[in-house]
Amino acid sequence: EVQLVESGGGLVQPGGSLRLPCAASGFTVSSDYMSWVRQAPGKGLEWVSVIYSGGSTYYADSVKGRFTISRDNSKNTLYLQMNSLRAEDTAVYYCARNGFLGDAFDIWGQGTMVIVSS
Amino acid sequence: QSVLTQPPSVSGAPGQRVTISCTGSSSNIGAGYDVHWYQQLPGTAPKLLIFGNTNRPSGVPDRFSGSKSGTSASLAITGLQAEDEADYYCQSYDNSLSGYVFGTGTKVTVL
Repeated sequence: EVQLVESGGGLVQPGGSLRLPCAASGFTVSSDYMSWVRQAPGKGLEWVSVIYSGGSTYYADSVKGRFTISRDNSKNTLYLQMNSLRAEDTAVYYCARNGFLGDAFDIWGQGTMVIVSS
Repeated sequence: QSVLTQPPSVSGAPGQRVTISCTGSSSNIGAGYDVHWYQQLPGTAPKLLIFGNTNRPSGVPDRFSGSKSGTSASLAITGLQAEDEADYYCQSYDNSLSGYVFGTGTKVTVL
């Protein structure tokens, strides 16, 4: 079964750091595009970052310089390293596969909640 | 900030047809990038509904259809059912941002 499972969310103080893993099964993360998408409470979807199959990475302006996307091919896992966290980063973070059906996000994880608060 | 604009809400009676618009610009939809649509039920992750402007993934009912023209796209739901009550988002790629963009989202209410 093709599946994505995020973990690592929680409560963190402003200025703190957090790393979110996203474990994939049923496909290889290095063969597809993989993204992080977030959704603040009661708000819409916001794309955060992508890592392409070739290894290139791109970020939304709102997280550029603070967040880093990476993958561990041996663990078939995607990561999002979040530093210098702000209150406005509070959201449910989803990992998603795109690149299999064009660049549509066809597989989503269940999401993990990150709360940035003192 | 969303660069794709959708109406905040649409509603219809069971069996009716509703449409959701998605308006972009020359750096995203108008540049020829594909538009995709997602359905999000309360408390759940989004689900891909339409990819590549008009295509349905396996398992998506043919009551859902997509179209694209110029700098806009639309999602149509025919034969509206109670289970269609959800939030819907369009999505594309923007070359000025070098990243993916989502629409503002539309809540569909079945009366």
